Amino acid sequence: QVQLQESGPGLVKPSETLSLTCIVSGGSISSYYWSWIRQPPGRGLEWIGYVFYSVFRNYNPSLKSRVTISVDTSKNQFSLKLSSVTAADTAVYYCARGHSDTSGYYFVDYWGQGTLVTVSS
Amino acid sequence: DIVMTQSPLSLPVTPGEPASISCRSSQSLLYSNGNIFLDWYLQKPGQSPQLLIYLASNRASGVPDRFSGSGSGTDFTLRISRVEADDVGVYYCMQALQTPYTFGQGTKLEIK
Repeated sequence: QVQLQESGPGLVKPSETLSLTCIVSGGSISSYYWSWIRQPPGRGLEWIGYVFYSVFRNYNPSLKSRVTISVDTSKNQFSLKLSSVTAADTAVYYCARGHSDTSGYYFVDYWGQGTLVTVSS
Repeated sequence: DIVMTQSPLSLPVTPGEPASISCRSSQSLLYSNGNIFLDWYLQKPGQSPQLLIYLASNRASGVPDRFSGSGSGTDFTLRISRVEADDVGVYYCMQALQTPYTFGQGTKLEIK
């Protein structure tokens, strides 16, 4: 059974960089679209982006200038960095395993439990 | 970005009764291969979202056949034939045609 577990600081100061890691267990980190999705308190879901095989990345244009998603196959984990954060970046951040193909169709079959990151001084 | 609009946003249902959630996209989600790139997710209280329906009408593994998805182009429907207490949560549609992938606002299903 594939499991994903997020880890990282729960509190980040404005203008600093949010950094989260997702450890993948029960399966290989190869061949999938390792994704981050967030959910502001009481609100809906926002797709942040994904990395595929460490070489292909796709980010939400609304965050593209601030976000980096990378994968470490030796540790079976991937990470999210979001720079210059503001209060608007306060959210539950989910790591997830995505699938896609040459058509671009995408779905998520495994999610982490989510971690709340609050941006506040 | 493709805008996804769901209705209703709140849906009280009596157990055993049917329920229906609508989702509309700002542009067609029909791909050239005939597939419709629309997924449905359910987020149960205190849990992460889970995949219910993929490609508009295909149930994900383990999803009861009480759940069905339909639609074409820009209008989609998720139906539950007989609502059970375990179905409570927020249902999201998501367009999977182009990045950025976008979700509807969510429909909160509650038991009367």
